Amino acid sequence: RKEVEQDPGPFNVPEGATVAFNCTYSNSASQSFFWYRQDCRKEPKLLMSVYSSGNEDGRFTAQLNRASQYISLLIRDSKLSDSATYLCVVITNTGGFKTIFGAGTRLFVKA
Amino acid sequence: NAGVTQTPKFQVLKTGQSMTLQCAQDMNHNSMYWYRQDPGMGLRLIYYSASEGTTDKGEVPNGYNVSRLNKREFSLRLESAAPSQTSVYFCASNVPSGGLHSSYEQYFGPGTRLTVT
Repeated sequence: RKEVEQDPGPFNVPEGATVAFNCTYSNSASQSFFWYRQDCRKEPKLLMSVYSSGNEDGRFTAQLNRASQYISLLIRDSKLSDSATYLCVVITNTGGFKTIFGAGTRLFVKA
Repeated sequence: NAGVTQTPKFQVLKTGQSMTLQCAQDMNHNSMYWYRQDPGMGLRLIYYSASEGTTDKGEVPNGYNVSRLNKREFSLRLESAAPSQTSVYFCASNVPSGGLHSSYEQYFGPGTRLTVT
């Protein structure tokens, strides 16, 4: 089992749609969580951190469920510019910090 | 600030050839990383350097060597390239520490696309 698993997609949605991505992690000792965005043939960039209380940044909402060990990202009112791959990232600290990247979920937003 | 820079952007090698991928950061970060990204596999850590003068193996170190030349520069060397090393290579840096989420953010270079034939 992979340490961090994501639905690879692709998700094809029309502009204005709401889309949700989920990510599960296997290590219950994981302590920090993030979503990164990666545009086609570009480097990953931090989109937002994920907190237990949930956090929102404009049209983006991230949630963490520690009991079920999953993280979610909700995008409301999708724009064409949201088309990208979204990477779930988990940091564990078991004998040293370790950053684990999910394989990513691809999103296509169509006009 | 240029952030994290990598050279070259593209490279084609024949099996058995060697090459060094260069990475430099101007953000005064302590830690630097080398990843490879393959379709469906996500980013996998090859080697990392927690601070100047130290290097450690990551998840997939076989076939690679690294040098942390100074605080700014971290190079990745392929001594004898193999087709299985065809991939996109990313260098990243950050200032990891306990407590602050923002300290864990990794800043990536633009990547090197390597093809081994």
